[in-house]
Amino acid sequence: NAGVTQTPKFQVLKTGQSMTLQCAQDMNHEYMSWYRQDPGMGLRLIHYSVGAGITDQGEVPNGYNVSRSTTEDFPLRLLSAAPSQTSVYFCGAGQSLNEQFFGPGTRLTVL
Amino acid sequence: AQKITQTQPGMFVQEKEAVTLDCTYDTSDPSYGLFWYKQPSSGEMIFLIYQGSYDQQNATEGRYSLNFQKARKSANLVISASQLGDSAMYFCAMREGGYGQNFVFGPGTRLSVLP
Repeated sequence: NAGVTQTPKFQVLKTGQSMTLQCAQDMNHEYMSWYRQDPGMGLRLIHYSVGAGITDQGEVPNGYNVSRSTTEDFPLRLLSAAPSQTSVYFCGAGQSLNEQFFGPGTRLTVL
Repeated sequence: AQKITQTQPGMFVQEKEAVTLDCTYDTSDPSYGLFWYKQPSSGEMIFLIYQGSYDQQNATEGRYSLNFQKARKSANLVISASQLGDSAMYFCAMREGGYGQNFVFGPGTRLSVLP
């Protein structure tokens, strides 16, 4: 997976709690992104970054914040967790437009 | 309208046989990329193969090849000599324009390889 790591692997939150999902890559990739995968569906883009200091919204950004202060890290923040945010979250990274590798995923449950 | 269509919710193939997983896409952007990913039951997303819209030849990666028919907007994945370990969900995805601007996944096809 091109050295993309995600922590934690599993997380349970209560409604209203906040938390940060971590994503790191050690391949100096410029491009990083966050997706969510709901049961029986493909991935949907939440936010992405084309380099340190540059982020933008994807298809489903509401309720999430990101920042990219370094090339290596791209954390995803849930501001006030809701049950609708129960999902599996994948972080992606790639050096060019023709590649995107994913981390192992974080399974989040919001009660 | 669906950007990526995978019309086969489930497929079965006999071990050692070849199988084709269908993917059609919809875009008006002349520059785009097509990806296939494998998701086994363990949940990770594994990159398989990439095809750029300007690539003249079909992409190949080991037992995987992409049958790219640009005029038909079709990007089917062909797996040769299926193995039991190929049983998984397979997702077709498309990137339009630059990174992140539009990266969409299809609903997936579940492939089961029979011994």
